[in-house]
Amino acid sequence: AQSVTQLDSHVSVSEGTPVLLRCNYSSSYSPSLFWYVQHPNKGLQLLLKYTSAATLVKGINGFEAEFKKSETSFHLTKPSAHMSDAAEYFCVVSDASGGSYIPTFGRGTSLIVHP
Amino acid sequence: DAGVTQSPTHLIKTRGQQVTLRCSPKSGHDTVSWYQQALGQGPQFIFQYYEEEERQRGNFPDRFSGHQFPNYSSELNVNALLLGDSALYLCASSLTSGGPGTGELFFGEGSRLTVL
Repeated sequence: AQSVTQLDSHVSVSEGTPVLLRCNYSSSYSPSLFWYVQHPNKGLQLLLKYTSAATLVKGINGFEAEFKKSETSFHLTKPSAHMSDAAEYFCVVSDASGGSYIPTFGRGTSLIVHP
Repeated sequence: DAGVTQSPTHLIKTRGQQVTLRCSPKSGHDTVSWYQQALGQGPQFIFQYYEEEERQRGNFPDRFSGHQFPNYSSELNVNALLLGDSALYLCASSLTSGGPGTGELFFGEGSRLTVL
């Protein structure tokens, strides 16, 4: 069975400093991994996805994530935080367990950006 | 180009009642998935509809049912509401690609259901 753990429920950074949101996954198959962002009162938006191509994945708004199979991690990073990055971030894993690709979402990490 | 639209945005029901939520997918998308997001939690997959049939289902009881119409829009029905059904219900659309977890999902802003 697949599972995903977001290691921090809240991350607080100052504007202009780096962002690191941590995600560990468990999967018996070759997983697809995603990061979604949810701004208040908005739907979720895809930031980036990994589907067995390059291990370093670049997404929108300057975010990127690195797939590390040995560490079963897919951490999300950004070199410099902006006030508009304040939102809820979800790591998602999906594999063929059970014969179908049903996504499992993490519990989310709330990113707080201070001026 | 309209994205995914959901209605109603908010609603309040009492225990035992029934509710219907509606979703129109992004233009050009033929697959709709429904998710339940409880407060402080990540979304949980309920089911996926394609070609007017339920294709995949998550770990939800039969009280949760759905429908997809020929224009690809969809409804989520929940019968015999429980207090624990209070949540944000999200609809996501996609192009058919083998399953709800294989490609990009486009989400609506959700319907917030409160059960008293």
